[in-house]
Amino acid sequence: EDQVTQSPEALRLQEGESSSLNCSYTVSGLRGLFWYRQDPGKGPEFLFTLYSAGEEKEKERLKATLTKKESFLHITAPKPEDSATYLCAVQVHGQNFVFGPGTRLSVLP
Amino acid sequence: DVKVTQSSRYLVKRTGEKVFLECVQDMDHENMFWYRQDPGLGLRLIYFSYDVKMKEKGDIPEGYSVSREKKERFSLILESASTNQTSMYLCASSLPYRGEEGYGYTFGSGTRLTVV
Repeated sequence: EDQVTQSPEALRLQEGESSSLNCSYTVSGLRGLFWYRQDPGKGPEFLFTLYSAGEEKEKERLKATLTKKESFLHITAPKPEDSATYLCAVQVHGQNFVFGPGTRLSVLP
Repeated sequence: DVKVTQSSRYLVKRTGEKVFLECVQDMDHENMFWYRQDPGLGLRLIYFSYDVKMKEKGDIPEGYSVSREKKERFSLILESASTNQTSMYLCASSLPYRGEEGYGYTFGSGTRLTVV
């Protein structure tokens, strides 16, 4: 069965305190791994797609990396506006995905 | 600005009512999806559609049905609402998979449904 787990469930950081979020997956054949950001009361917003081990993508203070079993979302010098829930999803077939439960990030000023 | 619009942000319905959740996208996307989101469970796929008049069951279709009469509109129907269907419902759309790289979804803002 295809599964996606994320850790930690919640993370509180001080502004400027860098950290990483983890997404681990068990799928029969990874086609793509996607990261989304979700603000309270809103739908998820697409951030990155990664396709092969060793691949990296960056956007502002965020950098996503991929290995054969997991992906990391590194947050460098976060700001309060980075507070959100971060979801990862694996593409299993066609345009269908399995989503992880998310990591709720709080960045305190 | 392209978007996916869900007709209601908040709904309160009574047990046994028939409930319609509407979703419209203006991006000419072939694919549309309905998910529900519950704390600790992540997003779970209810139904999806890859074309007009086409529908496929997702992981948790029981108690739900869908309708896609036009490309831009995908409706989720709760035939007889129950309290365990209280949840956040998210609609999404995407371009079709063409055998190479996949596409990220564009999500609506969600409908928070409470069944009492």
